[in-house]
Amino acid sequence: DADVTQTPRNRITKTGKRIMLECSQTKGHDRMYWYRQDPGLGLRLIYYSFDVKDINKGEISDGYSVSRQAQAKFSLSLESAIPNQTALYFCATSVGGTGTYNEQFFGPGTRLTVL
Amino acid sequence: AQSVTQLDSHVSVSEGTPVLLRCNYSSSYSPSLFWYVQHPNKGLQLLLKYTSAATLVKGINGFEAEFKKSETSFHLTKPSAHMSDAAEYFCVVSGGAGGTSYGKLTFGQGTILTVHP
Repeated sequence: DADVTQTPRNRITKTGKRIMLECSQTKGHDRMYWYRQDPGLGLRLIYYSFDVKDINKGEISDGYSVSRQAQAKFSLSLESAIPNQTALYFCATSVGGTGTYNEQFFGPGTRLTVL
Repeated sequence: AQSVTQLDSHVSVSEGTPVLLRCNYSSSYSPSLFWYVQHPNKGLQLLLKYTSAATLVKGINGFEAEFKKSETSFHLTKPSAHMSDAAEYFCVVSGGAGGTSYGKLTFGQGTILTVHP
């Protein structure tokens, strides 16, 4: 079984709809992240969480919200989807602590299309 | 603040010839550096990582990268390209402890590698 899973894998929705993307991990990592990938822009950080009670905005958080339900679960919501949120979304995890090297482990991605 | 610049958006090589993907970085604190690969319609896989232990880092599938602090570079190389190497490659920096970027990754824009028979 995959260590980091994302559901759904593909989603097509309409402008104005509320969408939730879910991420679960079995790696036991404290830190979780949400990114979006757009062609030619690499991956950009939306939100990150260093533990269950710690949630922080990334570089492109506008229009998104997150919930860390447990150590293993981190959900990303689009309250009112718009077409420029069409992208590939990745969840990632990493261990915590200052002695680590911040390597992140990625889920398979969710392809979201907003019409 | 930290940033990454991948100097080529596309690189095309013939099978069996060397691969060079160029990456320059900027970081205020001693960074960790990574190369990730993304095959078509797949997630991201870690190729290799630099964590200050050695400047020449060996990764999977015959790839390696050299950390050059004086040039702020972390170029990815492979002596002989294989058809299966065709993918998009991302150079990534993570800030060191003490900096505001600690624990967060900053991605380059990506380099698409094409391998011709």
